[in-house]
Amino acid sequence: DTAVSQTPKYLVTQMGNDKSIKCEQNLGHDTMYWYKQDSKKFLKIMFSYNNKELIINETVPNRFSPKSPDKAHLNLHINSLELGDSAVYFCASSQGTGAGTGELFFGEGSRLTVL
Amino acid sequence: DQQVKQNSPSLSVQEGRISILNCDYTNSMFDYFLWYKKYPAEGPTFLISISSIKDKNEDGRFTVFLNKSAKHLSLHIVPSQPGDSAVYFCAASINGANNLFFGTGTRLTVIP
Repeated sequence: DTAVSQTPKYLVTQMGNDKSIKCEQNLGHDTMYWYKQDSKKFLKIMFSYNNKELIINETVPNRFSPKSPDKAHLNLHINSLELGDSAVYFCASSQGTGAGTGELFFGEGSRLTVL
Repeated sequence: DQQVKQNSPSLSVQEGRISILNCDYTNSMFDYFLWYKKYPAEGPTFLISISSIKDKNEDGRFTVFLNKSAKHLSLHIVPSQPGDSAVYFCAASINGANNLFFGTGTRLTVIP
């Protein structure tokens, strides 16, 4: 039973399209995250939600809009896709808002390719 | 600006020997450090962590050492096993915050 699951795992789309990646966790955690791993393997936080409230919003284009319908779900919607958006997007969750309170549990990643 | 650096993209070690993975950081405000392990087509999984008030933390075959003056930490795996072959990411945070800064990873290959 997957703890943090993301769909789709692979996504190939054209520039200018709008796409969504869904994430669900069944761990009962109250904090969820989106991380982006670019072509240089650099894994960087994009957003963090705690109990459906946005608590971290790094410098990310406003074409990226996270949505948390409940604390078990954090979806990522991307408008007007650009070539530079090609990356692997990882969803994660944790109990509490601090890394010191417990580790992050990551999903398997969603590889987005923009043509 | 990369605040956590793993300068060795890859490392090969014989089974049974010690694997040492290194990590350097530039931000002196970091006070909590973690190592994650990643297999292909899977997400990173937490391995071990250390608070800045300590200089060593051990968990079975895995030991993390922290040298704050040098802004350096290392992960020791002994003895190394083929199942340890994976990419290892170093990460750091400030005040235990949930914004983890990751390195770019080191691919460890343990040769049987």
